[in-house]
Amino acid sequence: GAGVSQTPSNKVTEKGKYVELRCDPISGHTALYWYRQSLGQGPEFLIYFQGTGAADDSGLPNDRFFAVRPEGSVSTLKIQRTERGDSAVYLCASSLIPTTHLYNEQFFGPGTRLTVL
Amino acid sequence: GDSVTQMEGPVTLSEEAFLTINCTYTATGYPSLFWYVQYPGEGLQLLLKATKADDKGSNKGFEATYRKETTSFHLEKGSVQVSDSAVYFCALSGDGNNRLAFGKGNQVVVIP
Repeated sequence: GAGVSQTPSNKVTEKGKYVELRCDPISGHTALYWYRQSLGQGPEFLIYFQGTGAADDSGLPNDRFFAVRPEGSVSTLKIQRTERGDSAVYLCASSLIPTTHLYNEQFFGPGTRLTVL
Repeated sequence: GDSVTQMEGPVTLSEEAFLTINCTYTATGYPSLFWYVQYPGEGLQLLLKATKADDKGSNKGFEATYRKETTSFHLEKGSVQVSDSAVYFCALSGDGNNRLAFGKGNQVVVIP
């Protein structure tokens, strides 16, 4: 079946501009996650959705970052007034159900590479 | 907070050599532990997992044992192939939350 898809695969923008990154999770997955991976680092958690609501947004670095998931499926990560330090690969993942005590396999998309000039 | 530490630097080895990548963690409670792999040009994939102390995760010839006493989850493979060349990430999911905390990753290059 189809995996997690993300669009665009690459995005180049100028400092100060607004960008939107889209994630289509695996059909039927109720949990959706956003991570950011800087060069040479592991992914860092940004935000987690359970259904339509953000259950944990503790990883968002500041109020320029915002994410929505209005119908409990597709999610959009929005970045306002982009800065050069926002350049990274933004990863989306989904899982069938969120679990706290059992394994929590998250299926990752290919990522969107954001470059802020 | 929860964190994962992986050994520094890339790993280069010859085909059929033994591979070990060290991973230690800091977490409260009883986290689940994972190894993810990223092959060139592909997304992150779960390689193996362990959900409680002394569990051994295994897949594709790779193994890792959840050692609570040493807070470690080292990845091993007895005989690597060129196709194992990839970046390997150790990760944990903390007790009571759903987010993954990743290590920095290790680039593994297997030379024929």
